[in-house]
Amino acid sequence: EVQLVESGGGLVQPGRSLRLSCAASGFTFVDYAMHWVRQAPGKGLEWVSGISWNSGSIGYADSVKGRFTISRDNAQNSLYLQVNSLTTEDTALYYCAKDTYIAVTGGGGAFDVWGQGTMVTVSS
Amino acid sequence: DIQMTQSPSSLSASVGDRVTITCRASRSISNYLNWYQQKPGQAPKLLIYAASSLQSGVPSRFSGSGSGTDFTLAISSLQPEDFAIYYCQQTYSVPSPSFGGGTKVEIK
Repeated sequence: EVQLVESGGGLVQPGRSLRLSCAASGFTFVDYAMHWVRQAPGKGLEWVSGISWNSGSIGYADSVKGRFTISRDNAQNSLYLQVNSLTTEDTALYYCAKDTYIAVTGGGGAFDVWGQGTMVTVSS
Repeated sequence: DIQMTQSPSSLSASVGDRVTITCRASRSISNYLNWYQQKPGQAPKLLIYAASSLQSGVPSRFSGSGSGTDFTLAISSLQPEDFAIYYCQQTYSVPSPSFGGGTKVEIK
């Protein structure tokens, strides 16, 4: 079964950090680009970051650039998101999503597999 | 950045109705447009990719059309399980894909 399982979320104070993880199974992880997408409570979907199969191409939303770092470990079939300098605006459910393409450049692609998300709550 | 605008933001319809949702891009995105369905408490699910290709396992009552800046998701005969929020997404501007604001389909 193709599956993505996120972990690492929690309640954190403003200015602190977290490391989110996504464990992939049921498909050849190295063959696909991966993404993080977040959804604030009661709001829509916001793409956060994406990484190509070999980590050679990475992108970030302007709202997180300089604070979040995406990475992957193909040997461990895992995707990560280091989130620093958190603010209340970062409170959201963070989803890991698999791309249908190998790279995050070149256009096209879609997110065909999603995890159930890990909740990050930033509050003092 | 490419902005994606969906309309309407919500609609009420009855089982059996034909429903259409539109998505407009702030500039041409060719056919790099995907549609997702999200039910309460669930992750989004890919319905349509490349503007008009049906994802495997998705019922044929769902269809997509359009290219350039204007796109449409149609549900030919609304079923009870189709009440959800629908999002469009452009993957033309990479590595910065973006989503529309969503359209909530409610029961009339």
